[in-house]
Amino acid sequence: AQTVTQSQPEMSVQEAETVTLSCTYDTSESDYYLFWYKQPPSRQMILVIRQEAYKQQNATENRFSVNFQKAAKSFSLKISDSQLGDAAMYFCAYRNLQGGSEKLVFGKGMKLTVNP
Amino acid sequence: GAVVSQHPSWVICKSGTSVKIECRSLDFQATTMFWYRQFPKQSLMLMATSNEGSKATYEQGVEKDKFLINHASLTLSTLTVTSAHPEDSSFYICSARDHRLWTDRGFLNYGYTFGSGTRLTVV
Repeated sequence: AQTVTQSQPEMSVQEAETVTLSCTYDTSESDYYLFWYKQPPSRQMILVIRQEAYKQQNATENRFSVNFQKAAKSFSLKISDSQLGDAAMYFCAYRNLQGGSEKLVFGKGMKLTVNP
Repeated sequence: GAVVSQHPSWVICKSGTSVKIECRSLDFQATTMFWYRQFPKQSLMLMATSNEGSKATYEQGVEKDKFLINHASLTLSTLTVTSAHPEDSSFYICSARDHRLWTDRGFLNYGYTFGSGTRLTVV
């Protein structure tokens, strides 16, 4: 079974600085998606960024970028120029593309605090 | 963009009663919706996949008779927690697949939108 591990339960960063959130996963599959979701206090899950496993290029969305290391099964999220609105729980998630299941497997999450 | 509305946002019910949670896709048709459960300070766990016009597919360990799912239309799925007990207290979140976001690799997960969740407390 696939698993997703976020080893850091909490992190903090100063406003305008850069922070990296770590995520590792375990799978025997070769074709899959990886995601970072943000869950602010409102509890709404918001997609931050996604990565397709077959693409070697790291995904980037404005201030958010990932470092995808397929061989190491590592998928870290870098937030540049951190803003107060980035404070939230961040979840790393995996979805296998084979077998027909659309199940998202989530990590336990990491609470990010942004200090002014 | 795609919007998913979940109602109610919170509910308190007595032990032994049933409670229904609704998940609606507001501006798109959702042939498939998903129900997740989130324990305090824990991750989201998929409970079941809800398919319009057919039976839901439940994850291993989820009681079908306790968590009834109905997906009678392309915009509405409901989760009914039957004979609720305090251990059913949790945060329930639905998500829906936006069928419009299709690529040559099939449905793209990017098209999944989440509701804002329902906090269920059973007393």
